Amino acid sequence: IAGITQAPTSQILAAGRRMTLRCTQDMRHNAMYWYRQDLGLGLRLIHYSNTAGTTGKGEVPDGYSVSRANTDDFPLTLASAVPSQTSVYFCASSDSWGAGSPLHFGNGTRLTVT
Amino acid sequence: ILNVEQSPQSLHVQEGDSTNFTCSFPSSNFYALHWYRWETAKSPEALFVMTLNGDEKKKGRISATLNTKEGYSYLYIKGSQPEDSATYLCAFIGRGSTLGRLYFGRGTQLTVWP
Repeated sequence: IAGITQAPTSQILAAGRRMTLRCTQDMRHNAMYWYRQDLGLGLRLIHYSNTAGTTGKGEVPDGYSVSRANTDDFPLTLASAVPSQTSVYFCASSDSWGAGSPLHFGNGTRLTVT
Repeated sequence: ILNVEQSPQSLHVQEGDSTNFTCSFPSSNFYALHWYRWETAKSPEALFVMTLNGDEKKKGRISATLNTKEGYSYLYIKGSQPEDSATYLCAFIGRGSTLGRLYFGRGTQLTVWP
């Protein structure tokens, strides 16, 4: 079934290391998002892209970067991981930005920074 | 950052009981409200996208209402079943500079006992 694929499923990372979380969708959705899920805090938006070639900052962008070279891929990079970035990361996509289209989520990446 | 509140935080009901919970959001600059269902070990799935004051949506035993003037939405589950056990998230989209961004509540965790 088509959808969003995230990789890896989980990862333990030493502090200071660089890490890229991968996200690929095959629904030809224009908008893509990265959220982090922390206990008691709900889903918080890290970065988004409303169309290929453009990106924007969400609520908690510090320490993260993204790129959107094409429609399908939206990788999230932690340049130098810190323990506070331990979280579950969800990639999502929607048909269009700003039109109230429902989000489709990947299965998440559980990241532990030690 | 917009404040989206969900209550109660958790709910335990018996199979067959009907239940409802609330999502509160800013009543000004409303654009859309989403409801998602999030089962343990899975990713969130969209239930409803609501855009008009007075909107009522229904999917099987689950329905939702929307009051944009007073800033709340109710989610109802009629005759709860164990498979309804999940966390239910609402997400608000406002107009203006935040158009397109979803602000999630922390969710209501529903447990249905057989």
